[in-house]
Amino acid sequence: KAGVTQTPRYLIKTRGQQVTLSCSPISGHRSVSWYQQTPGQGLQFLFEYFSETQRNKGNFPGRFSGRQFSNSRSEMNVSTLELGDSALYLCASSSTNRGDEQYFGPGTRLTVT
Amino acid sequence: GNSVTQMEGPVTLSEEAFLTINCTYTATGYPSLFWYVQYPGEGLQLLLKATKADDKGSNKGFEATYRKETTSFHLEKGSVQVSDSAVYFCALSDQNYGGSQGNLIFGKGTKLSVKP
Repeated sequence: KAGVTQTPRYLIKTRGQQVTLSCSPISGHRSVSWYQQTPGQGLQFLFEYFSETQRNKGNFPGRFSGRQFSNSRSEMNVSTLELGDSALYLCASSSTNRGDEQYFGPGTRLTVT
Repeated sequence: GNSVTQMEGPVTLSEEAFLTINCTYTATGYPSLFWYVQYPGEGLQLLLKATKADDKGSNKGFEATYRKETTSFHLEKGSVQVSDSAVYFCALSDQNYGGSQGNLIFGKGTKLSVKP
């Protein structure tokens, strides 16, 4: 089975712009979660989608949003980018949303200048 | 809230040395516990897991036992190799009294460097 894929792998954006990141889960997985990884804060949970519904959300401002499509692919969007949004954004998929193991993609490295 | 605490690194060992990375957790309910590993420039890879008390997860020579009485899930390996150099994360499945929240809570990570 193909693993979790994320596109693009690298992005450079300017403060104030918006960005959309994409994630394709492992075939058959219906749960997709997003995490932000920074040196200072570590890995922080953004949100989780299961069957096109957002089931859980972390403590991030409303500038961070996401969605999931009927084929389980997911996108996250960050509007009005700030310098502090520079991070590695990781997507993970799971076969359920009941606390089973999650499988991670390689991440998208976002740099905001 | 639920949380994970890992020993701070970095940890530097010689090849074939014994490895222990401590992990303790605070949780509501009965979470599953995980160890993930991250190599430079890559995402996280699941190393091992345990889903209930006294379970032992193992993979590639690494082991960890789910200890409910001490709320711990320490990672061990008897003989490390240079190729084990990476960052290791302890994690739990987030829970409340309604059950799993579907996301993971991670520790800060422990960087391991193994010297030949």
